[in-house]
Amino acid sequence: EAGVAQSPRYKIIEKRQSVAFWCNPISGHATLYWYQQILGQGPKLLIQFQNNGVVDDSQLPKDRFSAERLKGVDSTLKIQPAKLEDSAVYLCASSLPGFGHNYEQYFGPGTRLTVT
Amino acid sequence: AQSVTQPDIHITVSEGASLELRCNYSYGATPYLFWYVQSPGQGLQLLLKYFSGDTLVQGIKGFEAEFKRSQSSFNLRKPSVHWSDAAEYFCALLGGDSSYKLIFGSGTRLLVRP
Repeated sequence: EAGVAQSPRYKIIEKRQSVAFWCNPISGHATLYWYQQILGQGPKLLIQFQNNGVVDDSQLPKDRFSAERLKGVDSTLKIQPAKLEDSAVYLCASSLPGFGHNYEQYFGPGTRLTVT
Repeated sequence: AQSVTQPDIHITVSEGASLELRCNYSYGATPYLFWYVQSPGQGLQLLLKYFSGDTLVQGIKGFEAEFKRSQSSFNLRKPSVHWSDAAEYFCALLGGDSSYKLIFGSGTRLLVRP
């Protein structure tokens, strides 16, 4: 079974530029998550999708971050314009819907963003 | 407030020694708890999880964790550490208000001495 795919793996941009990350979840996983992991910290949820609808975007800085999952499969996360404090690893995860004993979030390898 | 605390930023153990990583949580109900491991340049891999039932949970790679409600803890243990266990370990709680989401601790970096 293929895992969660993310691209690019690394990105270096200057502040005020824009950047986009792509994620393809595990086939059949209706729920998709984007996390931001700043160096030395645990991942923090930015946005959660259920199919192509947003479930939780309470911690997404909406003045500069946007995300979409138009067909309920893959997703893009965009930052425009980027700030120095956006330097982090952006992790995508997916899961089956529901919270039974088999609940698990599967994580992709992440995209390391450096803003200079 | 819902939160996870991992008091140890770094832990160093010798190969073959036992390991215990601490995790404390704050949650108003029975928590769903997870331990993930992150190797350099990799995503997070689930080691084990606690939903209910037996408070001693077995996971992959020889890890186990014990849920102690009275101490609000979910500590991760391994009887004999291997050099390949060197990584960052995250404890997480399934929490949230309007939706369920993973709330992570700040992580513990494990270093293994040969």
